[in-house]
Amino acid sequence: AQSVTQLDSHVSVSEGTPVLLRCNYSSSYSPSLFWYVQHPNKGLQLLLKYTSAATLVKGINGFEAEFKKSETSFHLTKPSAHMSDAAEYFCVVSDRDSWGKLQFGAGTQVVVTP
Amino acid sequence: EAEVAQSPRYKITEKSQAVAFWCDPISGHATLYWYRQILGQGPELLVQFQDESVVDDSQLPKDRFSAERLKGVDSTLKIQPAELGDSAMYLCASSLRYMNTEAFFGQGTRLTVV
Repeated sequence: AQSVTQLDSHVSVSEGTPVLLRCNYSSSYSPSLFWYVQHPNKGLQLLLKYTSAATLVKGINGFEAEFKKSETSFHLTKPSAHMSDAAEYFCVVSDRDSWGKLQFGAGTQVVVTP
Repeated sequence: EAEVAQSPRYKITEKSQAVAFWCDPISGHATLYWYRQILGQGPELLVQFQDESVVDDSQLPKDRFSAERLKGVDSTLKIQPAELGDSAMYLCASSLRYMNTEAFFGQGTRLTVV
């Protein structure tokens, strides 16, 4: 069985400061991991994905995430937040045991203050 | 750029009425997902198709919900009868195959049951 825990439901950062969104996962097999972003009244957009290649994954808009198998974590970071980063972020796990079902976390709401 | 098309974007229906949603995935994508997202929560899988076959409908309330993908292309999700608790965003997504590829999401259908 697979599951995802996003450790923070809300994160507030100042513009220009680093962003850290924490995600822990559980999976029976070697998982694929994703981060998606959802802006208000918009569809879900893929930020980045890990599929058993390099453990440090770079995505769009300056985001990156590191896969740490020993810690079962896949935290998302960005060195400098921009006002446009205000959105809901979802960590997602998928594994071969469940036909690649995408299991979403509960989400982290990011607020960026000037 | 290819997109997942969903219609309608918004639907208001009365309790006990029937309602249907339509999804046209990206051409060539074998895997199609229907997700339900309740406000403030992460998306939850309702049903997953691989071509025209259902591979996961474990969370689909089968007494009132049905889904089909007859020719392995577009898909319809139906609710009959609708209940107040069905008010949510219904998201369709598709991917090239079921593992190690990103899923592309449509804009969703916002359902309000009154």
